[in-house]
Amino acid sequence: GAVVSQHPSWVICKSGTSVKIECRSLDFQATTMFWYRQFPKQSLMLMATSNEGSKATYEQGVEKDKFLINHASLTLSTLTVTSAHPEDSSFYICSARPPGHPPSTEAFFGQGTRLTVV
Amino acid sequence: AQTVTQSQPEMSVQEAETVTLSCTYDTSENNYYLFWYKQPPSRQMILVIRQEAYKQQNATENRFSVNFQKAAKSFSLKISDSQLGDTAMYFCAFMKPSAYSGNTPLVFGKGTRLSVIA
Repeated sequence: GAVVSQHPSWVICKSGTSVKIECRSLDFQATTMFWYRQFPKQSLMLMATSNEGSKATYEQGVEKDKFLINHASLTLSTLTVTSAHPEDSSFYICSARPPGHPPSTEAFFGQGTRLTVV
Repeated sequence: AQTVTQSQPEMSVQEAETVTLSCTYDTSENNYYLFWYKQPPSRQMILVIRQEAYKQQNATENRFSVNFQKAAKSFSLKISDSQLGDTAMYFCAFMKPSAYSGNTPLVFGKGTRLSVIA
């Protein structure tokens, strides 16, 4: 199957600093990538849809100025948590589906990033 | 908006036995896709099985099968001959189709934590 790689796997940062998480599609081009957040023992909640070459679409309640998304190429989307606070500590997961005709229905996920803000 | 409900937060099953995980969903769409994803302790999301709503035949993948009841909006997962490696969180997910499915996100249920006991 297709491969989506996410980096870093875990990161610890101090309050007030910014952290960048990368999501790469290694063997296909992804015009769209999705960013999810998962709290402990909870479900994956969609944060935003990342669109190559255009602005991301954020879900209601997600602060676009805090969670900056850049999708500068067809294989890379980045999520930057700005001015991180302890409540931003969570597990962040990206996802993408390979293009095709007919369109692929299987989503592939990165390994996830555990962010801890101290 | 679509919603996905998993009413069993936790379940356990003896090794080699069969277990069924429940999922219901709500949508006004006539055509859509349903999935079961597995999230083991590594937290890597893995596709278990998928079902297209316009297909009446229930999907099967080796030991995994679904009971898709479109009128009842029910999509349960049956795991036969349970193995220790099946221990994981299982998420039911819904996806609307689009002309280009790469840009429609998954909507997840809250998950069921399955423990397979030796």
